[in-house]
Amino acid sequence: DTGVSQDPRHKITKRGQNVTFRCDPISEHNRLYWYRQTLGQGPEFLTYFQNEAQLEKSRLLSDRFSAERPKGSFSTLEIQRTEQGDSAMYLCASSPLLGQGVHEQYFGPGTRLTVT
Amino acid sequence: AQTVTQSQPEMSVQEAETVTLSCTYDTSESNYYLFWYKQPPSRQMILVIRQEAYKQQNATENRFSVNFQKAAKSFSLKISDSQLGDTAMYFCALNYGGSQGNLIFGKGTKLSVKP
Repeated sequence: DTGVSQDPRHKITKRGQNVTFRCDPISEHNRLYWYRQTLGQGPEFLTYFQNEAQLEKSRLLSDRFSAERPKGSFSTLEIQRTEQGDSAMYLCASSPLLGQGVHEQYFGPGTRLTVT
Repeated sequence: AQTVTQSQPEMSVQEAETVTLSCTYDTSESNYYLFWYKQPPSRQMILVIRQEAYKQQNATENRFSVNFQKAAKSFSLKISDSQLGDTAMYFCALNYGGSQGNLIFGKGTKLSVKP
């Protein structure tokens, strides 16, 4: 088990372009989360999946953002028509689901997006 | 709205000394969970310690302990015998468990441990 991985680690794109990020959670973790972290701030929740079902989306997730987890394993986060305000670190986390209660979220290294 | 506030943007401590990081939160729920996460420079976030709100006993993990004051909605982190490797951003976070999976984070405290 190598932990949560994210690809790419860094992405520089021009305003208006589309970008896609990938997250591979820890195997057998049912839940997968996406967060966005801007400089000087804590991570902000974007969306999460339980298996392949997207259970919750933040109002931060505008229509330009879409996330998928087609087979309940890896997930992708796509941003269409990027804007400079999208520049941030995008973090992925996963957790097991072993019943009620809360379970530790394990974070990946993040994808740093810079929109020029 | 649920919020988490960390009022100390930056702190420093001498190696081997003790430091306390503050966190307050606001929620109308009675059952929730609180966490401290550590994010070292250019490295990924890891869990330091967690506290279930229904437990009165303060959580402890080796050199890390919390002071959980439920009525005051306060959740501070004490680091004893500070080490250089403790240098990091520390985030306080709130979660409700069950179907509400997401963490609500504070803005963080940048801790520098000086030799």
